[in-house]
Amino acid sequence: DAMVIQNPRYQVTQFGKPVTLSCSQTLNHNVMYWYQQKSSQAPKLLFHYYDKDFNNEADTPDNFQSRRPNTSFCFLDIRSPGLGDAAMYLCATSRDPGTYSNQPQHFGDGTRLSIL
Amino acid sequence: SQQGEEDPQALSIQEGENATMNCSYKTSINNLQWYRQNSGRGLVHLILIRSNEREKHSGRLRVTLDTSKKSSSLLITASRAADTASYFCATLKGATNKLIFGTGTLLAVQP
Repeated sequence: DAMVIQNPRYQVTQFGKPVTLSCSQTLNHNVMYWYQQKSSQAPKLLFHYYDKDFNNEADTPDNFQSRRPNTSFCFLDIRSPGLGDAAMYLCATSRDPGTYSNQPQHFGDGTRLSIL
Repeated sequence: SQQGEEDPQALSIQEGENATMNCSYKTSINNLQWYRQNSGRGLVHLILIRSNEREKHSGRLRVTLDTSKKSSSLLITASRAADTASYFCATLKGATNKLIFGTGTLLAVQP
């Protein structure tokens, strides 16, 4: 089945130690998104790629970076994780939005990041 | 904040009852979408209603949209224990594909 896969499901890292989360998709979608979701809150968009074009949200900390080496893969890098970065990180994809898109987003099951 | 508001924040019902969740938003929209999130999992798209539509059905789901009041409701009929999850509305802003999520409703369906 075509899907969005996130690895690992659970990640533990130490305070200040760089960590990379990965996302792959078999949907061949143009757009890939990274969201941060803290407990009992709505997902918060960090950034998204439209093909190779990177679009950062204004309030995303510089500590968060992303790479998209090809259509299928996208990575979230946290350069120096702090305790406040403990959260669920969700990857999502959508088809070419065009203008006034009516395309839903397809989510992976997330990576829950813990900071020691 | 552009974030939408949902109410109630939490809802507990018995199996077989109907569940209604409401969503209000702040800006003009192209469409409004509802997503479900089971505990510890990703979001699953349920239904999308366009700004020129007023009502839409999908199985046991019924969504209404009132653009004059900037509000939407999701009705789940004949609820089941498996419907227990968080439900989020999300609006698509402008000529982008960026979703603005509401605060979510946590639905518990007691068997």
